[in-house]
Amino acid sequence: GAVVSQHPSWVICKSGTSVKIECRSLDFQATTMFWYRQFPKQSLMLMATSNEGSKATYEQGVEKDKFLINHASLTLSTLTVTSAHPEDSSFYICSARGDGRRYNEQFFGPGTRLTVL
Amino acid sequence: GIQVEQSPPDLILQEGANSTLRCNFSDSVNNLQWFHQNPWGQLINLFYIPSGTKQNGRLSATTVATERYSLLYISSSQTTDSGVYFCAAENDYKLSFGAGTTVTVRA
Repeated sequence: GAVVSQHPSWVICKSGTSVKIECRSLDFQATTMFWYRQFPKQSLMLMATSNEGSKATYEQGVEKDKFLINHASLTLSTLTVTSAHPEDSSFYICSARGDGRRYNEQFFGPGTRLTVL
Repeated sequence: GIQVEQSPPDLILQEGANSTLRCNFSDSVNNLQWFHQNPWGQLINLFYIPSGTKQNGRLSATTVATERYSLLYISSSQTTDSGVYFCAAENDYKLSFGAGTTVTVRA
């Protein structure tokens, strides 16, 4: 149980285009999801916290107009990188807070590797 | 936010050896998790352990919350144990990750 999927697993796009990444909790409902970014050989950095039905909370230094987050249902959160540039190339990982007894745990998706040319 | 430090940064083991990874955190926590990141980037949940001791096969973990540290033990290491191990601690509803320990197990 507690499986999280992400789509796509990798994407290559041209500079200036927008890219949408989906994060789904497959076998549980997730009122809270999180988006992280990881650069090569570095740790995960929290970008934003997404709560179902409300606006996302962004970490300091993360541009909310660049990284649009929508958590429209209890099983789906989306991250849209708008007008992507090469410096946005990174590994994006989502996670979902578990439900019931596993509420304090976070479960992670497999990640999306974004390359902006 | 909470600060999380992991040691050592790198660990090279011969297959069959035992090892201990350490995680120190700067404040009280309501969540402490250990993860293994595989070569494809997937984070595998190893332990949810805000306090106490747990074991799962060859892996075990201990968190001493009052002293703000957690230990991950790998026994009889195998080449499939290679990868990056992350410790992450949560307070204020946010997980903060350590820099990770890169483990290489040689046959």
